[in-house]
Amino acid sequence: QVQLVESGGGLVKPGGSLRLSCAASGFAFSDYYMTWIRQAPGKGLEWVSYISGYGNTIDYADSVKGRFTISRDNAKNSLYLQMDSLRADDTAVYYCARGRWAVYWGLGTLVTVSS
Amino acid sequence: EIVLTQSPGTLSLSPGERATLSCRASQSVSSDYVAWHQQKPGQAPKLLIYGASSRATGIPDRFSGSGSGTDFTLTISRLEPEDFAVYYCQQYGSSPFTFGPGTKVDIK
Repeated sequence: QVQLVESGGGLVKPGGSLRLSCAASGFAFSDYYMTWIRQAPGKGLEWVSYISGYGNTIDYADSVKGRFTISRDNAKNSLYLQMDSLRADDTAVYYCARGRWAVYWGLGTLVTVSS
Repeated sequence: EIVLTQSPGTLSLSPGERATLSCRASQSVSSDYVAWHQQKPGQAPKLLIYGASSRATGIPDRFSGSGSGTDFTLTISRLEPEDFAVYYCQQYGSSPFTFGPGTKVDIK
């Protein structure tokens, strides 16, 4: 069955960096777009970024453009989100999801940006 | 960027009643690429509907989606106790993809 497991969240100071990972299993990873979506505490869902199966199509929300970098390693069935210049308003649970319309979701990893 | 507006913000209904949730886009959504996701407290969201009207695998037929262009609707024909949750629409027709603010369906 499809499984998506995020990791790498934690507490980081403003201006710091963090790299999130998403380990995928149960499907042909390179066949699918992958997406990062986040949810600030008590708030709604915010689309963050997506990447095509072989990484040739990528886009970002304006709120993270220039600070976050999405990537993937199809040999390792893994998705990544490099987050730099973190701000307090980046505090959220970060979900990885399969596909542009998020057919499957991981359980999320919490990122807290605070001094 | 396409902005999605959902109404109402909160819908208070009883089990067995019909729920009608609206999602309006600021401009036409390409190919009616609208999805609906359900989220229960403390859980990750779950896909219900994609392509405006196609049910995801394993989703009961009391959930249905309709609409085109800028106006989309999620209908739950008869609310079951497990359906009380927050529902988000999402457009994936043009990047950046966006979500609506959500509609909370709670027990009256």
